Amino acid sequence: GEDVEQSLFLSVREGDSSVINCTYTDSSSTYLYWYKQEPGAGLQLLTYIFSNMDMKQDQRLTVLLNKKDKHLSLRIADTQTGDSAIYFCAVPSGGYNKLIFGAGTRLAVHP
Amino acid sequence: GAVVSQHPSWVICKSGTSVKIECRSLDFQATTMFWYRQFPKQSLMLMATSNEGSKATYEQGVEKDKFLINHASLTLSTLTVTSAHPEDSSFYICSAKRVGLTTNEKLFFGSGTQLSVL
Repeated sequence: GEDVEQSLFLSVREGDSSVINCTYTDSSSTYLYWYKQEPGAGLQLLTYIFSNMDMKQDQRLTVLLNKKDKHLSLRIADTQTGDSAIYFCAVPSGGYNKLIFGAGTRLAVHP
Repeated sequence: GAVVSQHPSWVICKSGTSVKIECRSLDFQATTMFWYRQFPKQSLMLMATSNEGSKATYEQGVEKDKFLINHASLTLSTLTVTSAHPEDSSFYICSAKRVGLTTNEKLFFGSGTQLSVL
C-alpha cells in the first residue's frame, strides 16, 4: 500500500523560509495535499498540487513536485510565528476515497 | 467555505461506558465521511469510511463492533466507541466529502474529539 514519509521536526527563525519534505510510494496519485494542524484542532487544507504539475505557488506557499523521485515539498516564505503547527503531507491511495497521511512535520518558529 | 462540525470536542468517560461522537456537514451534503484516529505526535490513521445509507467500510485491524458508525443522513455521521477502555483514548477526527466531487480536493475536516477513558 501507499507509504508517506516526512521529517518529524523543523525549527526556523521568524522571517526565514521553511521547507517541509515528503516522499511517497504510489506513483498513480493524482492529487497530493498539504494540511496544517494547530494544537488540539482538526486539519485545514493548505494547498494541493495535481500530479501533472511541477510547481504551484499560492501567496507564501510554494509546492514542488518531483514525480520521478516521488518527492513533494512545501515551502513557506517569510515564516511567521502563526505558522507554527504540524504539517501533514497526504496522498490518495486505492482511488479517491482514501487519504494516506505522513507522520506530520512539527514546525517551530522562533524569534 | 464548507464547515464540518464535530461534537463533542473533548470527552472524559469511565471505562466500560460508550461514547458517541457526531460529525456534521453544516452547509453541504456529504455522501461519504471518514473517521480517523490520531495518537499523540503521530499521523492520522483511517479507521473507516462511512457511506450514507449503507454500512461503513472498516480498515484492517479496526473492530467494527467496537467502533460503530452510522451515517443516516447526508449531513450526519456518528462514531460510537462501545465499552470504552483506556487504550481507546485518542484524538478522533472526521472528514466529509462534498457531494458531486470525485476527488479529495473538497475534503473538509472536523476539529476533532479528544477522548480520555479513565
